[in-house]
Amino acid sequence: GESVGLHLPTLSVQEGDNSIINCAYSNCASDYFIWYKQESGKGPQFIIDIRSNMDKRQGQRVTVLLNKTVKHLSLQIAATQPGDSAVYFCAENGGATNKLIFGTGTLLAVQP
Amino acid sequence: DSGVTQTPKHLITATGQRVTLRCSPRSGDLSVYWYQQSLDQGLQFLIQYYNGEERAKGNILERFSAQQFPDLHSELNLSSLELGDSALYFCASSGNMMGWAFFGQGTRLTVV
Repeated sequence: GESVGLHLPTLSVQEGDNSIINCAYSNCASDYFIWYKQESGKGPQFIIDIRSNMDKRQGQRVTVLLNKTVKHLSLQIAATQPGDSAVYFCAENGGATNKLIFGTGTLLAVQP
Repeated sequence: DSGVTQTPKHLITATGQRVTLRCSPRSGDLSVYWYQQSLDQGLQFLIQYYNGEERAKGNILERFSAQQFPDLHSELNLSSLELGDSALYFCASSGNMMGWAFFGQGTRLTVV
């Protein structure tokens, strides 16, 4: 497959461990945040979202935490599996146009 | 399958040429977004259309243009191509008030 980026931060975890991927956002006016997963050769895929009036939201095996004080977002993946290996992007949406501004991405590598 | 269709999947062309990338959004989605993803960069927002009208512009070069047609499909036109324009170009569509978008599989453009 093709790599999305050559200089991405990389998180390497053992299969079965929990993963935490972090993201700092820039616009304090952003009111909506999304995590996307991008597998090699594919388009970004929605994972989970959170509004700015929340600080935590849970999905299936994933949890997103939002700390507006320090403009920090994190994605927690429980019991990480080989299929979770991908690049993960956070995105913020703060305008009336709903355009998404993406972070640089983190490569999650799951070791069997 | 996200429901967003992009054609072609791969495109190889020479410097100075002009190409057109096509995107069909999910059925019913009025917003279409174009993003560029280079190897050393994340997803860069180019432009957004909503129901045929330009809604937001990002870091889109003057050599690039886009439009959205009455049937809501969109085209991204890239002209006077340079080697540095080689990248993955993604289209995304959105129809929800929250703003998160579904992405297509992308068009890989290689300029030689």
